[in-house]
Amino acid sequence: AQSVAQPEDQVNVAEGNPLTVKCTYSVSGNPYLFWYVQYPNRGLQFLLKYITGDNLVKGSYGFEAEFNKSQTSFHLKKPSALVSDSALYFCAVRDSYLNRDDKIIFGKGTRLHILP
Amino acid sequence: NAGVTQTPKFQVLKTGQSMTLQCAQDMNHNSMYWYRQDPGMGLRLIYYSASEGTTDKGEVPNGYNVSRLNKREFSLRLESAAPSQTSVYFCASPRAGAYNEQFFGPGTRLTVL
Repeated sequence: AQSVAQPEDQVNVAEGNPLTVKCTYSVSGNPYLFWYVQYPNRGLQFLLKYITGDNLVKGSYGFEAEFNKSQTSFHLKKPSALVSDSALYFCAVRDSYLNRDDKIIFGKGTRLHILP
Repeated sequence: NAGVTQTPKFQVLKTGQSMTLQCAQDMNHNSMYWYRQDPGMGLRLIYYSASEGTTDKGEVPNGYNVSRLNKREFSLRLESAAPSQTSVYFCASPRAGAYNEQFFGPGTRLTVL
């Protein structure tokens, strides 16, 4: 069965420091991996995705994520954090083996606090 | 082009009352989804519709019904609301294809007393 885990409920980072939000996954086939961000009282917004190709994926707002097949991870990163990056971040996975619309699994979310 | 819209934004119900959450998308997408978001639980799929005229259960369908009225609209109905249905509800719609991202509505915050 496919699954996705975000091991940290909350991550605190000082402004200007690099940030990492962790995500690991489990699928039967090849993974389609996504990161979304949710600002207060808003819906989720797409940040970036990995489908195939280069393991380092670049997305919106200066975020990037690195796909690591051997560690089954897809960690979200940013070289220099901004206070405005404070939000709730969700990792999501879809198994390429499963051709079903309902099989997009979201993690529980990680709250990122950027400290001024 | 508004993307995905939801109404209402907020709602308070008493136990046993019914209501319908409305969702519409103007992107001409085939699929539409209803999720609920609870603290520490992430997003859980309630129902989805792969195309006009079809609906299927997701992970947590009990206590809900849905209607795919046409390609644009996908409504979620609570026939007899319970406190356990207090949550934030999101409608979403992805472009066709397994590797395309979802577009989310702004959400409906529902409280059942």
